[in-house]
Amino acid sequence: EAQVTQNPRYLITVTGKKLTVTCSQNMNHEYMSWYRQDPGLGLRQIYYSMNVEVTDKGDVPEGYKVSRKEKRNFPLILESPSPNQTSLYFCASSLGGVRDRDFNEQFFGPGTRLTVL
Amino acid sequence: GEDVEQSLFLSVREGDSSVINCTYTDSSSTYLYWYKQEPGAGLQLLTYIFSNMDMKQDQRLTVLLNKKDKHLSLRIADTQTGDSAIYFCAEATMGYQKVTFGTGTKLQVIP
Repeated sequence: EAQVTQNPRYLITVTGKKLTVTCSQNMNHEYMSWYRQDPGLGLRQIYYSMNVEVTDKGDVPEGYKVSRKEKRNFPLILESPSPNQTSLYFCASSLGGVRDRDFNEQFFGPGTRLTVL
Repeated sequence: GEDVEQSLFLSVREGDSSVINCTYTDSSSTYLYWYKQEPGAGLQLLTYIFSNMDMKQDQRLTVLLNKKDKHLSLRIADTQTGDSAIYFCAEATMGYQKVTFGTGTKLQVIP
């Protein structure tokens, strides 16, 4: 089954304790992205990756790191989590491509609810 | 940067039509999308429109695009209780380097 998986689905942690949220897709997609969803703010893009070893900042990258060593995986790393990073996180992937008129549906993972105490 | 705005909440009666509105600022947007998020789930693509189109219809869904006013709307005909969800509009620029989502509109359908 074509899908985007995230782990863990739920995480409660404490300030300063490094954590990684994994994201994996089995659709051979080039483009992957991380978002956070907060009430009244919608989805905000944290980082995105156009392909392996190519990553770029989204709208809210502070406090986060990503890596794209292989096409299927795009982990989100919080080196020193803080309470303002408590949020619902979504990973997404799409075919990508830079040709004009390329339609790119993003496929979303189920979300990771993170609480930082 | 780009901004995409939506009203936060909409309540309709079952069987009525729902209209969810969205405004965006980036005139170079190539694609505009509507995503649906059901409780406890990720987002799923509902429909999309290319920026050179004015309207797109897909069964109960009608998307209208006013490029001059940078206004996008989603009309759901004969709204059902299963349509209760949060609806996000999103814009993407050519080359799909960046996708910007709106704040989301929570649609409540009253039986």
